[in-house]
Amino acid sequence: KQEVTQIPAALSVPEGENLVLNCSFTDSAIYNLQWFRQDPGKGLTSLLLIQSSQREQTSGRLNASLDKSSGRSTLYIAASQPGDSATYLCAVKGRAGNMLTFGGGTRLMVKP
Amino acid sequence: ETGVTQTPRHLVMGMTNKKSLKCEQHLGHNAMYWYKQSAKKPLELMFVYNFKEQTENNSVPSRFSPECPNSSHLFLHLHTLQPEDSALYLCASSQSVIAGGPGQETQYFGPGTRLLV
Repeated sequence: KQEVTQIPAALSVPEGENLVLNCSFTDSAIYNLQWFRQDPGKGLTSLLLIQSSQREQTSGRLNASLDKSSGRSTLYIAASQPGDSATYLCAVKGRAGNMLTFGGGTRLMVKP
Repeated sequence: ETGVTQTPRHLVMGMTNKKSLKCEQHLGHNAMYWYKQSAKKPLELMFVYNFKEQTENNSVPSRFSPECPNSSHLFLHLHTLQPEDSALYLCASSQSVIAGGPGQETQYFGPGTRLLV
């Protein structure tokens, strides 16, 4: 059974810092990996999707990498801003079935 | 109205009540999903519908009954719930469940229904 772990569970940084969020998964036979953002009391917003054949994806100040063989992904946020404060979730899609398995999330706070 | 909408946003129900959660997507998607987000557990997929047909049931108790009358609407009928069913229930949609092109698998989420049993 696939398990997804995110470290750290919570992170507080001053504005302007570059930061890295980590995601690990136990079964490397994945179809894709996605990073989501969730604001308090709201649904999820998809940030980046990396197919299993890809190594990284970039969108603005966000860069996500995927090392499938080691079961790891990182989300890099450059020049963090208070508006980046949210919970960040990673999810993997296995090759069998249509299910996403989510990690527990990293709760990020960027202080002005 | 655009995106994925969910009603009600908040619901309090007794263990003997029957209620329904509604989800509607205005994105022209063919796949819809129900997720449960509890306070102390990762987000869990409950059901997947593709072209109105249920393709996944993640061992969900029968007190949760989904219904997908068309590709734009998804319901979750609730009856005889337990206190541990209190959670945020999220609906999502995507163009398809299998990638036929870039971005087709990206899921778009509604704001959720906060349920208290």
